[in-house]
Amino acid sequence: AQSVAQPEDQVNVAEGNPLTVKCTYSVSGNPYLFWYVQYPNRGLQFLLKYITGDNLVKGSYGFEAEFNKSQTSFHLKKPSALVSDSALYFCAVRDIKDTGGFKTIFGAGTRLFVKA
Amino acid sequence: NAGVTQTPKFQVLKTGQSMTLQCAQDMNHNSMYWYRQDPGMGLRLIYYSASEGTTDKGEVPNGYNVSRLNKREFSLRLESAAPSQTSVYFCASSERRGGITDTQYFGPGTRLTVL
Repeated sequence: AQSVAQPEDQVNVAEGNPLTVKCTYSVSGNPYLFWYVQYPNRGLQFLLKYITGDNLVKGSYGFEAEFNKSQTSFHLKKPSALVSDSALYFCAVRDIKDTGGFKTIFGAGTRLFVKA
Repeated sequence: NAGVTQTPKFQVLKTGQSMTLQCAQDMNHNSMYWYRQDPGMGLRLIYYSASEGTTDKGEVPNGYNVSRLNKREFSLRLESAAPSQTSVYFCASSERRGGITDTQYFGPGTRLTVL
């Protein structure tokens, strides 16, 4: 069965420093990987996705993620964190073999706190 | 263009009461979803509708029913609410049927408390 793990409940980083939010996955077929962000009292917003091709994916708000097939990871990164990046981040995966791809498995979420 | 809208924003129910959560999207998307979000558990899929006229169970369908009223609207019904259904409920939509690569667009959520 497919699964997603976000090993850190919270990540703390100082403004201006690089940030990494970790994600590992397990699927039976080819993975389709997503990152979403949730600001307080809001729904999730799409950041970026990996479908195929270049392992480094660039997304919204200066975020990027690196797909590593051998380590089954899809870590979210940003070179210079902003206080406004503080939010809850979700990694998600789909597997075409599972209900034709309609079922998305979300990680438990990682809260990012950026200190000024 | 409002995107995905949900009503109500907040609701308190007593055990055994029923209610329907409403969701509508104005992006002409084919697929719609209902999730629940619980602390430390991420989002879990309750039901989804791949296209107008079809609905399917997700990961946690027990205690819920859905109706895809038309292409725009997808409602979630709790027939007899239980405290275990206290959660934040999100509706989402995506563009294409069978679109594994599709981005999902989420509504603002409904915070439901069952006493």
